Amino acid sequence: EADIYQTPRYLVIGTGKKITLECSQTMGHDKMYWYQQDPGMELHLIHYSYGVNSTEKGDLSSESTVSRIRTEHFPLTLESARPSHTSQYLCASSPRGGHEKLFFGSGTQLSVL
Amino acid sequence: GDSVTQMEGPVTLSEEAFLTINCTYTATGYPSLFWYVQYPGEGLQLLLKATKADDKGSNKGFEATYRKETTSFHLEKGSVQVSDSAVYFCALSDQGTYKYIFGTGTRLKVLA
Repeated sequence: EADIYQTPRYLVIGTGKKITLECSQTMGHDKMYWYQQDPGMELHLIHYSYGVNSTEKGDLSSESTVSRIRTEHFPLTLESARPSHTSQYLCASSPRGGHEKLFFGSGTQLSVL
Repeated sequence: GDSVTQMEGPVTLSEEAFLTINCTYTATGYPSLFWYVQYPGEGLQLLLKATKADDKGSNKGFEATYRKETTSFHLEKGSVQVSDSAVYFCALSDQGTYKYIFGTGTRLKVLA
């Protein structure tokens, strides 16, 4: 059902590398979100966007940045990866308006050595 | 601020047992409430939702009722299957900001 895609699914990189996690959705949703999921399963909102050229930081401080130049695309970038960035990253989207469900991608499992 | 509290896991049940996962919330206004499920190696997917008090959401044998008086949205299923083994998240959508608040997740393991 979900038309939201994340790449890559798995990524292992060395410390100090710059990486971009891709997220795209084909549903025309205005709202998009990035969550970081720790091994204990808890989800932490790190970035969100309510539309093109709109981005906000979430509740969890993150060294990553995001951009929203096109409605369908919401990439997340880490300028210099560290072992503390090792985590599962989940992208989600929802339609305009309140109280709509979130559509999630399958996630990117990032490991920084 | 708004928050969601759900019971800690893991919950281990035998096949065909009755399941309850407790979820309570605090919120200003009138949030919508959700249960999401996450299978191993996947993202979350919506299991059911309720948008106002006394609404009952149901799907795949799971159900939950929006109880405003007790600020609860407990998930129940009468007879679980091995395939129900997953992590379950209770969540609400904040009326003012449209942000979603998630509980910490409850891992369910069903044994054959």
